[in-house]
Amino acid sequence: EIVLTQSPGTLSLSPGERATLSCRASQSVTSRSLAWFQQKPGQAPRLLIFGASSRATGIPDRFSGSGSETDFTLTISRLEPEDFAVYYCQQYGSSPRTFGQGTKVEIK
Amino acid sequence: QITLKESGPTLVTPTQTLTLTCTFSGFSLSTNGMGVGWIRQPPGKALEWLALIFWDDDKRYSPSLRSRLSIAKDTPKNQVILTMTDMDPVDTATYFCARRQPDGSFDYWGQGALVTVSS
Repeated sequence: EIVLTQSPGTLSLSPGERATLSCRASQSVTSRSLAWFQQKPGQAPRLLIFGASSRATGIPDRFSGSGSETDFTLTISRLEPEDFAVYYCQQYGSSPRTFGQGTKVEIK
Repeated sequence: QITLKESGPTLVTPTQTLTLTCTFSGFSLSTNGMGVGWIRQPPGKALEWLALIFWDDDKRYSPSLRSRLSIAKDTPKNQVILTMTDMDPVDTATYFCARRQPDGSFDYWGQGALVTVSS
């Protein structure tokens, strides 16, 4: 089973700042099969990035994903008020599919 | 428009079997590459992947819950059913179903169904 470790646990930033979130895998993720989700309280997760770097439909270009094998990054270039939420990475290249424990992006 | 919705009991007693139904529209589970998965989230905690069923009826399960889980599809009804046996209070969570798109990622999610396990 691939274990995903996200860091930091909490990121305290101001609107307009750049956010960099990390997701590290215990083994290489097959074919860059890594996704990023955003989740707000009381809501279902929303797909932001799939294939490590492809934006999902309707996702603003301030969200970008990068990385390969065991190291992946989600970058939010300039935080908007609606971006403060919890972010999860997930690998879907091998079974069991696994999620990271999440990074909370909070307003400083 | 693609939608998914979970339905089932909101309260189950310990040792009971939970049956959840995901009813979807806007896509077909007979389409090559499609799938529907189940994910849960205990209150205040992270997401946990549970099970996945593919268009060809192939199935995958979380190893830690494999002995308690079963997933099935009813393609004409556009439904996927998850059963989990021997429920315990630690299984209290919001249960989500989600569409697996051909690349493998979950692109559309249901709103979630909160299931509480308590006597």
